[in-house]
Amino acid sequence: DAKTTQPNSMESNEEEPVHLPCNHSTISGTDYIHWYRQLPSQGPEYVIHGLTSNVNNRMASLAIAEDRKSSTLILHRATLRDAAVYYCILRPYITSGTYKYIFGTGTRLKVLA
Amino acid sequence: KAGVTQTPRYLIKTRGQQVTLSCSPISGHRSVSWYQQTPGQGLQFLFEYFSETQRNKGNFPGRFSGRQFSNSRSEMNVSTLELGDSALYLCASSLAGGHSTDTQYFGPGTRLTVL
Repeated sequence: DAKTTQPNSMESNEEEPVHLPCNHSTISGTDYIHWYRQLPSQGPEYVIHGLTSNVNNRMASLAIAEDRKSSTLILHRATLRDAAVYYCILRPYITSGTYKYIFGTGTRLKVLA
Repeated sequence: KAGVTQTPRYLIKTRGQQVTLSCSPISGHRSVSWYQQTPGQGLQFLFEYFSETQRNKGNFPGRFSGRQFSNSRSEMNVSTLELGDSALYLCASSLAGGHSTDTQYFGPGTRLTVL
């Protein structure tokens, strides 16, 4: 299964941008890159996903390297509510015709007031 | 629209017992996936159900099983509980689950403690 590698933890100051990196050197051509985050005492929640091009939504931006072996989740202005564990996930296609999420260890983001 | 609900939220069992956890997906969602989350192993995929059929399975022993009903509600069962089964069990629903861009919506989880 394709695997992702993320730093265990990162810190950011409130109101500043945060760049969360993810390496996925074994990504295949049909793998989408998904990001989820898990706030304390909650289940994970969807943040953003992409395939090849950079993507933006109201929560964040996703920058994907040209060779697709890495990506970066960008929170434009971190707030205290963004403190969470961020997971970078590849959605591999499997022979049964369905997909499954393979979660890595994630990056624990701490936001400093 | 109501989110994914899981019951019970907390559960304490003893070794050897069995347990059943319940998940109600978002209305209209037909795919339900189950995950186990522990501090040591992180989030691990258990299985996925779609239209009452198990469509995908993770690497867990046969003591872990599940089912899905015609209204898409799902249950998972763990028999002969072991101490290592103590974990947060998360349920996630999605519209169909079979597309690479399908978004999963997670419930708050059931915290199972095995004594």
